[in-house]
Amino acid sequence: QKEVEQDPGPLSVPEGAIVSLNCTYSNSAFQYFMWYRQYSRKGPELLMYTYSSGNKEDGRFTAQVDKSSKYISLFIRDSQPSDSATYLCAMKLTGGGNKLTFGTGTQLKVEL
Amino acid sequence: DAGVIQSPRHEVTEMGQEVTLRCKPISGHDYLFWYRQTMMRGLELLIYFNNNVPIDDSGMPEDRFSAKMPNASFSTLKIQPSEPRDSAVYFCASSLTGQGAGKLFFGSGTQLSVL
Repeated sequence: QKEVEQDPGPLSVPEGAIVSLNCTYSNSAFQYFMWYRQYSRKGPELLMYTYSSGNKEDGRFTAQVDKSSKYISLFIRDSQPSDSATYLCAMKLTGGGNKLTFGTGTQLKVEL
Repeated sequence: DAGVIQSPRHEVTEMGQEVTLRCKPISGHDYLFWYRQTMMRGLELLIYFNNNVPIDDSGMPEDRFSAKMPNASFSTLKIQPSEPRDSAVYFCASSLTGQGAGKLFFGSGTQLSVL
């Protein structure tokens, strides 16, 4: 079993929809949780970052962490075609430099 | 800043040949990471350096893979001999201590095809 599990999709939604992307993990020692966005033929770029449990909002994006369930989510409100990309969750232990463990990514397509 | 620069962008080679991938991190960053991405396995960490010193190479799949960082502005990942199962996109990323845990800056990757 992988340390971080993520549904690969693809997920197709109409423009304006609310999108929910999720990851589960097995290592309870993870303390830092991130979402990266990767456009086709590009490297991933950091989208959201959360420490420990709770919610964090940034514009149309909301990241949630539920450490008791080992479950993290990314919500995208009013989705746009420009949100079409692969979304990867990533996690980090306290200490250990910046070594991240990534999910396999969920491919999202927002249709006009 | 130009960001993390990787070369070549694409590499096509034949099985058994040596392959060298190159990376220039963002100036001033003290961490450098090499990742491999495939559809089946996602992004896998191969090795990472801190201040040019290899810290964790447990992700390097076999002795055929080696990585060096001779100075703060350059790193290489070498595969010798290459095999078809090495075909993947290889990413280099850099980060700076204290800039934010988990904030990595990725290059555009090298698409490697081993025939």
